[in-house]
Amino acid sequence: DVKVTQSSRYLVKRTGEKVFLECVQDMDHENMFWYRQDPGLGLRLIYFSYDVKMKEKGDIPEGYSVSREKKERFSLILESASTNQTSMYLCASSPAYRLSGNTIYFGEGSWLTVV
Amino acid sequence: EDQVTQSPEALRLQEGESSSLNCSYTVSGLRGLFWYRQDPGKGPEFLFTLYSAGEEKEKERLKATLTKKESFLHITAPKPEDSATYLCAVRVSSNTGKLIFGQGTTLQVKP
Repeated sequence: DVKVTQSSRYLVKRTGEKVFLECVQDMDHENMFWYRQDPGLGLRLIYFSYDVKMKEKGDIPEGYSVSREKKERFSLILESASTNQTSMYLCASSPAYRLSGNTIYFGEGSWLTVV
Repeated sequence: EDQVTQSPEALRLQEGESSSLNCSYTVSGLRGLFWYRQDPGKGPEFLFTLYSAGEEKEKERLKATLTKKESFLHITAPKPEDSATYLCAVRVSSNTGKLIFGQGTTLQVKP
């Protein structure tokens, strides 16, 4: 079974703190993603990476950065956390595009509260 | 603009009462349509991928179908444990795998 593991399920951070959310996948997938999910807004893509050290902005990258130094690991960084970044963060991974077998798998989510 | 719309937003069924959830999409080039189930406080769990019009997939009480403009998730004789939010998403880029999600349908099945 594919496993996408997010290191922290629940975090509480103070405004202005630097926050790291870590994600590891065990299926040797090329693509990795970070989404956030908010009531009424659905899932929105923050950043994605299609290879080690490669990254591209998603729909809402402001206030976030990412790091992918190893194929299996993708980190989301909040440089200076703000209360409007309180949300559920979802990491996902998928193989590179093929005619079939492109399923994107999600982790369990990280609930971040910024106070 | 690529868009995915799910309906209804919420659906209440009695146990055993079959129904369908709709996902309509307008995209420039479909590279796969995905259905996920999401339980409260958890990440989306993969159910099905459909790639071409006419394709169907089944799993237990769920059956997903695809046309050129929409997908249906049919739930036959649902049970209370089928209660969850069902998310539809489309993949439009073959380069990156980015998904565009609908807002979801929250299903409640009462015993």
